Amino acid sequence: KNEVEQSPQNLTAQEGEFITINCSYSVGISALHWLQQHPGGGIVSLFMLSSGKKKHGRLIATINIQEKHSSLHITASHPRDSAVYICAALMDSNYQLIWGAGTKLIIKP
Amino acid sequence: EAGVVQSPRYKIIEKKQPVAFWCNPISGHNTLYWYLQNLGQGPELLIRYENEEAVDDSQLPKDRFSAERLKGVDSTLKIQPAELGDSAVYLCASSLWGGSADTGELFFGEGSRLTVL
Repeated sequence: KNEVEQSPQNLTAQEGEFITINCSYSVGISALHWLQQHPGGGIVSLFMLSSGKKKHGRLIATINIQEKHSSLHITASHPRDSAVYICAALMDSNYQLIWGAGTKLIIKP
Repeated sequence: EAGVVQSPRYKIIEKKQPVAFWCNPISGHNTLYWYLQNLGQGPELLIRYENEEAVDDSQLPKDRFSAERLKGVDSTLKIQPAELGDSAVYLCASSLWGGSADTGELFFGEGSRLTVL
């Protein structure tokens, strides 16, 4: 069992739909990262959070420390949101980053 | 402020040749990562530095790969000799971990794409 698991692995939706990507982890963490990578592009940090919720534009990230679960939400999705979204957990024992496998999101116009 | 700067962006070499990549992290960032990313896959850690100390190099193939971070700022990653299977994008990332999620955001460079012929 991977220490960081993401779901779904692939997600295709229509423009305007509300998107949720989930990340579960089994290790103790100091913080959790959400990152985005467009096809052929670089990796961009979206959020780093250790509790509660953060919002940036149409993106919202939440984390529940007790349940060891985080979600990334996209409201009013747009084709330009099509990318791979990755969560990565920063372990509190040694500050090692454990990466999820990524969720490939396609938003159709 | 400039982000994480990597060079070269692209490198094509023949197998058995040496190659070196350079990374200039964001000023003041104490943590520096080198990752390898193959097409369609997630990044794989090669080495992590805290300041000038390599704190995690367990995934670095030390027979052919080497890295250094002199003075805890810039870093170089070297492959000698390169093999066909080394063709990938080599990513550098940096962060400033201050013990809370208000710091520690990861910043990635654009990567160095290596093709070994």
